[in-house]
Amino acid sequence: AQKITQTQPGMFVQEKEAVTLDCTYDTSDPSYGLFWYKQPSSGEMIFLIYQGSYDQQNATEGRYSLNFQKARKSANLVISASQLGDSAMYFCAMRGVPDYKLSFGAGTTVTVRA
Amino acid sequence: NAGVMQNPRHLVRRRGQEARLRCSPMKGHSHVYWYRQLPEEGLKFMVYLQKENIIDESGMPKERFSAEFPKEGPSILRIQQVVRGDSAAYFCASSPSLTGAADTQYFGPGTRLTVL
Repeated sequence: AQKITQTQPGMFVQEKEAVTLDCTYDTSDPSYGLFWYKQPSSGEMIFLIYQGSYDQQNATEGRYSLNFQKARKSANLVISASQLGDSAMYFCAMRGVPDYKLSFGAGTTVTVRA
Repeated sequence: NAGVMQNPRHLVRRRGQEARLRCSPMKGHSHVYWYRQLPEEGLKFMVYLQKENIIDESGMPKERFSAEFPKEGPSILRIQQVVRGDSAAYFCASSPSLTGAADTQYFGPGTRLTVL
């Protein structure tokens, strides 16, 4: 079984600053993938970034980067240069291989202040 | 390239009625997943389907819920005799294949079901 823990229910960040969202996971699968999704107030789920358990480098996608520390089983999302449009709920998720189900954390609400 | 389509976006039903939620996967995607999101919670897996096959329905409630993905047309999640506890957002996701952990699931906008 897989478990995702997001311990920060809500965070405030000043516009143009960086913010780090914590995610820890627990799995017995030797190979797995880690994902981050954004859910704005409109409700849709938007894929942001992916990290494979065997990837040597941390994933980056534009202003999003993933701080992957395998030994600590953490996959924190870093949003740089925050924008007002980044205000949303952010979910960390994982799936094992060859599993297909995504297991989600409880989410972290980010509010960007002008 | 159209994304995952879901309809309706909002659905209101009275207790005891049936709810039908539709999902059209992204073009080229043959795998469909349904998830449910209760208020203030993360998404929970319900069912995984390929064309004409239910692969895993381990997350589906044992009664009243069913899903299909016919050869032609959208995937349907059907809830019979809805109760207030069924009120939630139902998300459909699709992916092209199962080549590995990198196989990203792309989500539709969700259907928000309200049971009165």
